[in-house]
Amino acid sequence: GAVVSQHPSRVICKSGTSVKIECRSLDFQATTMFWYRQFPKKSLMLMATSNEGSKATYEQGVEKDKFLINHASLTLSTLTVTSAHPEDSSFYICSAEGTGDGYTFGSGTRLTVV
Amino acid sequence: RKEVEQDPGPFNVPEGATVAFNCTYSNSASQSFFWYRQDCRKEPKLLMSVYSSGNEDGRFTAQLNRASQYISLLIRDSKLSDSATYLCVVNPAHSGGGADGLTFGKGTHLIIQP
Repeated sequence: GAVVSQHPSRVICKSGTSVKIECRSLDFQATTMFWYRQFPKKSLMLMATSNEGSKATYEQGVEKDKFLINHASLTLSTLTVTSAHPEDSSFYICSAEGTGDGYTFGSGTRLTVV
Repeated sequence: RKEVEQDPGPFNVPEGATVAFNCTYSNSASQSFFWYRQDCRKEPKLLMSVYSSGNEDGRFTAQLNRASQYISLLIRDSKLSDSATYLCVVNPAHSGGGADGLTFGKGTHLIIQP
């Protein structure tokens, strides 16, 4: 089945630094990937749609200059949280439409900004 | 009105019982529907897709009522390992082609008690 690999699984960074999260489709090509974030006891919220070879599409209220998305190949999308602040602490998950039914999710990245 | 609504629970159910969840969605043009399962601090995993004709997978039965815009999930002979959060997920209508991100309900927390 379709597998999406996401790294790192957990990261702690200092306020003001940038963090890059990688999402790879291992056994299929994903022209489109999605980035979500989830706050504790809340649902996943779509942040942006990452399109291979073009600019990402951001949801309303998501700062594109803060959450930089790069989808340079058919198997890799990256999300960079720039100048991270404590309020950016969250669970970030990527997903892609697999070869079968439904969407496949990465294992998520738990970001803590101190 | 929220796009996808679920009763957050928790539902405390004795092992072996049957439990049912409902979910309503607001976008009548939504194309596809899923139930995902999310364990604590983990990524969501596809439980099953939901088809208009209803579908069954072992102890799980999903149904879709387009006229009333609700989706249901029935779990029979519940097991301790069924304890998790169940997310109702809707794929909105495509506009202009291309893939769309998913819209998640907040999830229903299920606790199976021995």
